[in-house]
Amino acid sequence: DADVTQTPRNRITKTGKRIMLECSQTKGHDRMYWYRQDPGLGLRLIYYSFDVKDINKGEISDGYSVSRQAQAKFSLSLESAIPNQTALYFCATSDRRRSNEQFFGPGTRLTVL
Amino acid sequence: AQSVTQLDSQVPVFEEAPVELRCNYSSSVSVYLFWYVQYPNQGLQLLLKYLSGSTLVKGINGFEAEFNKSQTSFHLRKPSVHISDTAEYFCAVSVNDYKLSFGAGTTVTVRA
Repeated sequence: DADVTQTPRNRITKTGKRIMLECSQTKGHDRMYWYRQDPGLGLRLIYYSFDVKDINKGEISDGYSVSRQAQAKFSLSLESAIPNQTALYFCATSDRRRSNEQFFGPGTRLTVL
Repeated sequence: AQSVTQLDSQVPVFEEAPVELRCNYSSSVSVYLFWYVQYPNQGLQLLLKYLSGSTLVKGINGFEAEFNKSQTSFHLRKPSVHISDTAEYFCAVSVNDYKLSFGAGTTVTVRA
């Protein structure tokens, strides 16, 4: 079944470490997104990509970077992790031909000590 | 810019009772509206969406929502809930074809 997968599912790291979260999809969608979820704040957009050569900042991109290695892969990096980046991170995809409907991965729970 | 307010952060409800989750939005232009559900330890799943047309939208698992433009609301309802409806529910709004703005979420706890 076509799907959105994220690795790792859980990660504990220390302040100052570099960490990469990976997202892969088999839906054939062209658009991919990274969100973070914090209790009481809902989901906030970090970065989004319309295709391999198109990367855009979302509302909370500071401290993060992304790489779109292929249409099916979109990675999120924290160059130097800090404790307030502790959150649940979601990758999502969408097809530009279907208005707005985004499909979400299972999430990565990141803890920065 | 658009914004979304979910008026209840927690909604406890007994099994087989009705439930309503309230969502209000602000936007100066026409919007698309969505409800997503997040079951424990899972990603978000689309329940229903309003793009245009009929203001009463039916979704999966017996949920429905009504778009009220004059009150800028998109409340979600289910006439009879099950234990399996225990989850967090998110209202989202979009004014274009890609960017979603989410509310803070409403946690529904269904008790026997």
